[in-house]
Amino acid sequence: QVQLVESGGGVVQPGRSLRLSCATSRFSFSSYGMHWVRQAPGKGLEWLALIWSDGINKYYIDSVRGRFTISRDSSSNTVYLEMSSLRAEDTAVYFCARDFGSGTSSVLDHWGQGTLVTVSS
Amino acid sequence: QSILTQPPSVSGAPGQGVTISCTGSSSNIGAGFGVHWYQHLPGTAPKLLILGDTNRASGVPDRFSGSKSGTSASLAITGLQAEDEADYYCQSYDTSLTGSVFGGGTRLIVL
Repeated sequence: QVQLVESGGGVVQPGRSLRLSCATSRFSFSSYGMHWVRQAPGKGLEWLALIWSDGINKYYIDSVRGRFTISRDSSSNTVYLEMSSLRAEDTAVYFCARDFGSGTSSVLDHWGQGTLVTVSS
Repeated sequence: QSILTQPPSVSGAPGQGVTISCTGSSSNIGAGFGVHWYQHLPGTAPKLLILGDTNRASGVPDRFSGSKSGTSASLAITGLQAEDEADYYCQSYDTSLTGSVFGGGTRLIVL
């Protein structure tokens, strides 16, 4: 079955950068868009970013646009989230998810287990 | 504060039914964008339950159903079981945000 495995989380100081990875398998990666979603402690799910299957079209929530960059590598079936200028409020579990629809009809049909990012000095 | 509003919690006894609402606006649900529902147990991967307002995802029992009217959508769960105790989220697209958005989430408590 579809597999998504996040990695790269950890403790990072405010203002520093971190890159998350989401290794995928058991589906045709190049045919699907991919999302990043996060959940801060005690809070709900928050959609962050989407990259279309073409790797060109990318969309972000306002709070991370300009600080976070989503990208993908079809040779390794991996999607990335490059996070810079990290803040304490970026502390969360970060999930990647596959996009079953596209654009305005996005449906996140398979999810990874998440990786924890803690921003603290 | 999400632009899709859900009640913080609902509860019901085993065997009973509950409904979770998701209220949006003319820039999301009211604009005709699909509403999707997810179940999330802490520490696990969220699970897709309902897609496109009313369609159950593969393997989801028919105790779960979705509906939509105007600027609101609902998830109904009948015949509550202990394993249904989890957080439930609605999700749609919003034109003002030009992206997906989740509701604030609803904790289902099975009494």
